[in-house]
Amino acid sequence: DGGITQSPKYLFRKEGQNVTLSCEQNLNHDAMYWYRQDPGQGLRLIYYSQIVNDFQKGDIAEGYSVSREKKESFPLTVTSAQKNPTAFYLCASRFTMNTEAFFGQGTRLTVV
Amino acid sequence: GIQVEQSPPDLILQEGANSTLRCNFSDSVNNLQWFHQNPWGQLINLFYIPSGTKQNGRLSATTVATERYSLLYISSSQTTDSGVYFCAVGSSTSYGKLTFGQGTILTVHP
Repeated sequence: DGGITQSPKYLFRKEGQNVTLSCEQNLNHDAMYWYRQDPGQGLRLIYYSQIVNDFQKGDIAEGYSVSREKKESFPLTVTSAQKNPTAFYLCASRFTMNTEAFFGQGTRLTVV
Repeated sequence: GIQVEQSPPDLILQEGANSTLRCNFSDSVNNLQWFHQNPWGQLINLFYIPSGTKQNGRLSATTVATERYSLLYISSSQTTDSGVYFCAVGSSTSYGKLTFGQGTILTVHP
């Protein structure tokens, strides 16, 4: 089945640890995105990539890092520098900037 | 960057009622989507509509790009329509960014 797969669905992190969220797509999309959603809020853009080996900071990139070594993969690392990482993280992809975007099912990250 | 405002923030309806959700944006757009977020957090694509009018069953959407707004119409609402509705836009100057509004929380009572 074609789609966007995020893993894991739930993730628990101890304070001071780095964690990596996975996002894989088999839609042959060029552009990929990471968003953060806090309870009762809209989605805020963390990082995005329009092509392999290139990515740009979004509105809230501090404390996060990404890589785009393969077209189908766009992992997000939440570093210990992110002071409030508990949130719902959503990955999206689309062919180009003027086409429809599709989302994965999300990862809920909780700091314990 | 582009600003996106959705209204109303909350909407409570009885089953069978009609509703209109609005999305205003601050710059010209070349990309506009409506999503429905279900209780499990999944974002469901409703419409890709940078301009014009589209219909899908009980839902329809209209974007008037020159006046910088889009409307989502829900007719004969059902309890399964409950959830959060988001508008997301992109502009030619935003370099591929897709910016979301704060959403409209819709509750449909039986």
